[in-house]
Amino acid sequence: GAGVSQSPRYKVAKRGQDVALRCDPISGHVSLFWYQQALGQGPEFLTYFQNEAQLDKSGLPSDRFFAERPEGSVSTLKIQRTQQEDSAVYLCASGSSNSNQPQHFGDGTRLSIL
Amino acid sequence: SQQGEEDPQALSIQEGENATMNCSYKTSINNLQWYRQNSGRGLVHLILIRSNEREKHSGRLRVTLDTSKKSSSLLITASRAADTASYFCATASSTLTFGKGTMLLVSP
Repeated sequence: GAGVSQSPRYKVAKRGQDVALRCDPISGHVSLFWYQQALGQGPEFLTYFQNEAQLDKSGLPSDRFFAERPEGSVSTLKIQRTQQEDSAVYLCASGSSNSNQPQHFGDGTRLSIL
Repeated sequence: SQQGEEDPQALSIQEGENATMNCSYKTSINNLQWYRQNSGRGLVHLILIRSNEREKHSGRLRVTLDTSKKSSSLLITASRAADTASYFCATASSTLTFGKGTMLLVSP
């Protein structure tokens, strides 16, 4: 596809369940980023990949959050033992070079934890 | 935590008027970027200004950067109803750090 694709668009889970969010970046983009956006707030950085290497995971809020990009293209953000405060929109972005350059965003996954 | 602070939080204007949004930040930067976000959608990159630049134009957009005051402004001229969205500044150092955004409403 032409843009960044995220799936699912909406996810409802019960507290304690594990969830997996998928991001398909723009073909050829080496950089991939995950953000968490709470209602009425700006995106907050979670983690950053350059190809398959996770260069920065300083924004992951706890060890329940895990991201991978094993082949340097598609990425998955996994949240284990979900809690209500994990409810947010999770945005994925990709870029053609480093983290300082413009990023192309997907439409996000809206996660609701009941 | 978010570094940038946009001002105002919300702005309501009529079509044809100009809209000015401000952004302040705290640490040194490589560049500063502005993005827009329509409701329920992802962010769209608008413009990037480098730390050694003071002003940049793109169509109806004008961005200024004052590194001594750690502030930036985004001016949208001759606004249209389709400009209705949230606008975010993002400072680039090791990663992008976004502010809380300005919600712009342009009424026909």
